[in-house]
Amino acid sequence: DSGVTQTPKHLITATGQRVTLRCSPRSGDLSVYWYQQSLDQGLQFLIQYYNGEERAKGNILERFSAQQFPDLHSELNLSSLELGDSALYFCASSIHHGGDETQYFGPGTRLLVL
Amino acid sequence: GQQVMQIPQYQHVQEGEDFTTYCNSSTTLSNIQWYKQRPGGHPVFLIQLVKSGEVKKQKRLTFQFGEAKKNSSLHITATQTTDVGTYFCPYYGGSQGNLIFGKGTKLSVKP
Repeated sequence: DSGVTQTPKHLITATGQRVTLRCSPRSGDLSVYWYQQSLDQGLQFLIQYYNGEERAKGNILERFSAQQFPDLHSELNLSSLELGDSALYFCASSIHHGGDETQYFGPGTRLLVL
Repeated sequence: GQQVMQIPQYQHVQEGEDFTTYCNSSTTLSNIQWYKQRPGGHPVFLIQLVKSGEVKKQKRLTFQFGEAKKNSSLHITATQTTDVGTYFCPYYGGSQGNLIFGKGTKLSVKP
């Protein structure tokens, strides 16, 4: 158990819909990262927040957005969903934001868009 | 830009055989980490290498960082079925601290 929690574990929705994925980082961690993992694909970095502020952006679509709240939990919002958005979405956390930080991953949310 | 290639993408071994995966960078790396993701699971941190020529061991796993800090390897001695999974060598690819993971090496072990 990494100490990072994600809800929900599974999500099935239809094209065009909007969903929100939630992540609670490990106690004391200030950074939250979001990743997308499609079938047979590697982990694609989406976005990072540090202490409530956006820190880095990766290959995140304009239809996707995220935020980190004062209690440090984070939400990833996916809108106008397409079939290709079906994937595993992982959240990870670390104490700070440096390049030598170990990232602790949550169990992921499996999203299926029909 | 900086690129790190991990090879092989897939490896199938018989239980008891050794296994090695390599990560090769076009530029010098400040550090490199290794993660393992079991089937159906999430990535789990294994180790971080920082120094040139560094070698670290964890039981049957041996991690190396090249002298030029441009390559790294993970060697597993006498694989077991519990070693099955995908091994990633993410590197620090951005100014803000994001790790770039890639596709990793998927290891399957036949009992």
